[in-house]
Amino acid sequence: DQQVKQNSPSLSVQEGRISILNCDYTNSMFDYFLWYKKYPAEGPTFLISISSIKDKNEDGRFTVFLNKSAKHLSLHIVPSQPGDSAVYFCAATSRDGATNKLIFGSGTLLAVQP
Amino acid sequence: NAGVTQTPKFQVLKTGQSMTLQCAQDMNHNSMYWYRQDPGMGLRLIYYSASEGTTDKGEVPNGYNVSRLNKREFSLRLESAAPSQTSVYFCASRLGQLSGYGYTFGSGTRLTVV
Repeated sequence: DQQVKQNSPSLSVQEGRISILNCDYTNSMFDYFLWYKKYPAEGPTFLISISSIKDKNEDGRFTVFLNKSAKHLSLHIVPSQPGDSAVYFCAATSRDGATNKLIFGSGTLLAVQP
Repeated sequence: NAGVTQTPKFQVLKTGQSMTLQCAQDMNHNSMYWYRQDPGMGLRLIYYSASEGTTDKGEVPNGYNVSRLNKREFSLRLESAAPSQTSVYFCASRLGQLSGYGYTFGSGTRLTVV
């Protein structure tokens, strides 16, 4: 049973518009959430994170929103640029304990059209 | 450059052959992880090592073994490769308690088992 779900395998947006990537989770013990970006033939790279004590975190063009009651988070990219075209993975973890294993979603392929 | 280095980048194996995927990090990180990425499945944890001298199973450990050789190196071994192990394998590391940037990933090993 997937604990972190990204239900949209792909998304296409026009350059300059907003991209919204969604993620749902089932485990109420998760208290820290991250987004990773992955280009072909490269490893994932960290993009932005949010703690469960917040409902929004912003870093430049990237904003992550967390709705704990709905167990839902989203990544907003404004404005979208062609260089943002990549696979985006949502990940979640519980920060108590020593291991802090990240559980990943299946990813969303974002294509930003010039 | 500091980071996580994986070797080899590509490998083709015949069913039943064995091989070891190597991973090394030079960031003095305590914890190291092995993930596999498959289409539609995202990143799934195979094994991890919370600290030097310890290893534990992740979500999909069957068919694999690991060795935490020292603080820097964490290897993944396939004793008898099967076509179901065709995948892209990523090694990752992190310093300690989860920080804003999560894990650092290597660039991956693309393995094909024929």
